[in-house]
Amino acid sequence: AQKITQTQPGMFVQEKEAVTLDCTYDTSDPSYGLFWYKQPSSGEMIFLIYQGSYDQQNATEGRYSLNFQKARKSANLVISASQLGDSAMYFCAMTSWMDSSYKLIFGSGTRLLVRP
Amino acid sequence: GAVVSQHPSRVICKSGTSVKIECRSLDFQATTMFWYRQFPKQSLMLMATSNEGSKATYEQGVEKDKFLINHASLTLSTLTVTSAHPEDSSFYICSARDSGWGAAGELFFGEGSRLTVL
Repeated sequence: AQKITQTQPGMFVQEKEAVTLDCTYDTSDPSYGLFWYKQPSSGEMIFLIYQGSYDQQNATEGRYSLNFQKARKSANLVISASQLGDSAMYFCAMTSWMDSSYKLIFGSGTRLLVRP
Repeated sequence: GAVVSQHPSRVICKSGTSVKIECRSLDFQATTMFWYRQFPKQSLMLMATSNEGSKATYEQGVEKDKFLINHASLTLSTLTVTSAHPEDSSFYICSARDSGWGAAGELFFGEGSRLTVL
């Protein structure tokens, strides 16, 4: 069974600073994918970044980067140069490519508040 | 623009009635869609995997007779909350993956449907 853990229910960051949102996972499958989504107050799910279990390099997408430490089973999201619009809920999620349904399981989320 | 559309976005109903929520993939075919439920300030909990042309696969603890899922075409899945009660009030979100891309396809989410049962 897969499990995603986000231990930070809430985080504050000053505008223009970087922030790291923690995510650890547990799976016995060798092939899996890790995702980060942003959910603003409107409720929509916005895809941010993806990391495959076999990817050698950490994923980056603009101001978002994923600090993937496979041995520690962690996939922390780093947001650089925070902006006020980054205030939202952030969810870490994973899917096992061994499961033919490719269903996505979410962590409990971290609410990020960017201070001006 | 949205590639997965949910309707209605908000619905209020009386206790005991049934409510149908639609999830459509707008410009791609999806053999599999997923239905999630999200309580306020909580995470998305997977309810079921909707499979086109076959029965849905429900997660443990989800009542099949309560939450009816129909995936009659490659672009439409419906979730019907039967005999709704106030505890069914929640945010329901669907997602779909472009079947043409297989596992590599991005998972697209609908805008969500907020159900309030009085």
